Amino acid sequence: RKEVEQDPGPFNVPEGATVAFNCTYSNSASQSFFWYRQDCRKEPKLLMSVYSSGNEDGRFTAQLNRASQYISLLIRDSKLSDSATYLCGAMDSNYQLIWGAGTKLIIKP
Amino acid sequence: GAGVSQSPSNKVTEKGKDVELRCDPISGHTALYWYRQSLGQGLEFLIYFQGNSAPDKSGLPSDRFSAERTGGSVSTLTIQRTQQEDSAVYLCARGFRNGSDYGYTFGSGTRLTVV
Repeated sequence: RKEVEQDPGPFNVPEGATVAFNCTYSNSASQSFFWYRQDCRKEPKLLMSVYSSGNEDGRFTAQLNRASQYISLLIRDSKLSDSATYLCGAMDSNYQLIWGAGTKLIIKP
Repeated sequence: GAGVSQSPSNKVTEKGKDVELRCDPISGHTALYWYRQSLGQGLEFLIYFQGNSAPDKSGLPSDRFSAERTGGSVSTLTIQRTQQEDSAVYLCARGFRNGSDYGYTFGSGTRLTVV
């Protein structure tokens, strides 16, 4: 079993809809979690960090469920420009990020 | 990405040749990571440098791969006797700390094609 798992998708979502996807992690000692966005043929860029129960930034909300060991990302009022691959990372005690394989999101007009 | 410079951006090499990929974490002495990403795949950890500690080489796929970090800053990833399966994007990231926040900033990567 992988340490960090994500549904690879793709999630095909109409513009304006709300979409959510989860990321599960196996290391119960992980304290910090991150969502990164990666556009095609580009490097990953930090979208949100999650240190406690959750974080919200505009249309984006990340939530952490420690009991079930997953974090979620919710995107409201999705835009065409939200189309990307979303990478989840869980930080271990050595400050190394353990990455999921990413979830591909396609927003359709 | 801001704060991490990688070169070259693209490299085409013949099978069997050696290549060197460079990463400069412009902000200086920070944790530095190398990853490999094949087309449509996730990030594959290669190696990690932190200060004066011994690097974590647990992700290097074979002894053809090696990396060093000189002066605690610039790092070079070397692939000897390249094979076609080495073709991928090689990403370098630096760990940053901003108060209690910690995260990674990635370079733009080197796209390696072995022909």
